Amino acid sequence: DTAVSQTPKYLVTQMGNDKSIKCEQNLGHDTMYWYKQDSKKFLKIMFSYNNKELIINETVPNRFSPKSPDKAHLNLHINSLELGDSAVYFCASSQGQGAYQPQHFGDGTRLSIL
Amino acid sequence: KQEVTQIPAALSVPEGENLVLNCSFTDSAIYNLQWFRQDPGKGLTSLLLIQSSQREQTSGRLNASLDKSSGRSTLYIAASQPGDSATYLCAVGEGGSEKLVFGKGTKLTVNP
Repeated sequence: DTAVSQTPKYLVTQMGNDKSIKCEQNLGHDTMYWYKQDSKKFLKIMFSYNNKELIINETVPNRFSPKSPDKAHLNLHINSLELGDSAVYFCASSQGQGAYQPQHFGDGTRLSIL
Repeated sequence: KQEVTQIPAALSVPEGENLVLNCSFTDSAIYNLQWFRQDPGKGLTSLLLIQSSQREQTSGRLNASLDKSSGRSTLYIAASQPGDSATYLCAVGEGGSEKLVFGKGTKLTVNP
C-alpha cells in the first residue's frame, strides 16, 4: 500500500486554467505538507496543516489554496495558472508538527503549463 | 535566514568506493538535520534524522554526522553500490519556524 499518494501524477494544462491536486496518506499522521520543487530541483515548503489547521503558509500567491477535509487528506487548488507554476509538487506527512519527525513524501505531481 | 548548501552538486564513483557527501547550514539554531534520498521521478525517502543534541546516526552502510556549532553535516556511504545512485538531499529542521529547509542535493552515480 502506498503511504502517501498524490493524484494526478502528471498534469499538463493551459495558462489561465484552474486545477487541483489531491493527496492522501494512510500512515495515521496528523501533519501534512505541500512542497514545490522547481526546475533547478530546489525544494521549498508551501503549506503545512496539523489536524486540519493551517500551520505554515509561506509566501505563496493567493492563487494557491490548500484544503484539508480531514487529517488524512490535503488538497491543493491553483487558480489562474501561470507559466512559472510549472514544477513538481510534493505532498508529505509526518507524525507531529514541523521538522521534529521524519517526513514521508509522495511521488510528486508534475505540472506543466503550456 | 537559514541557507543550506551541499557540495559537490554531482559525484561519480566506481562501485565499492567509500564516499562522503557534505552539507553546511548558516544558522546553528536547528532542531535536527535530516538526510533524504530522491530517485528519478520519485518522492523523497528519509534516510537518517539526527537530533540537534546528537553527533551521529547510523543505518546499515550509511553514517551521518552533525557538528552543529560549525554548521556542518556529512553523510558517509560505505562500500557504494550501483543501487545507491540517486540524489541525496540534506534538510535542517529550523528552530522556531517548524520548517524543513533543504539544500539543492548531491547527485550520486555509482558505476558498476
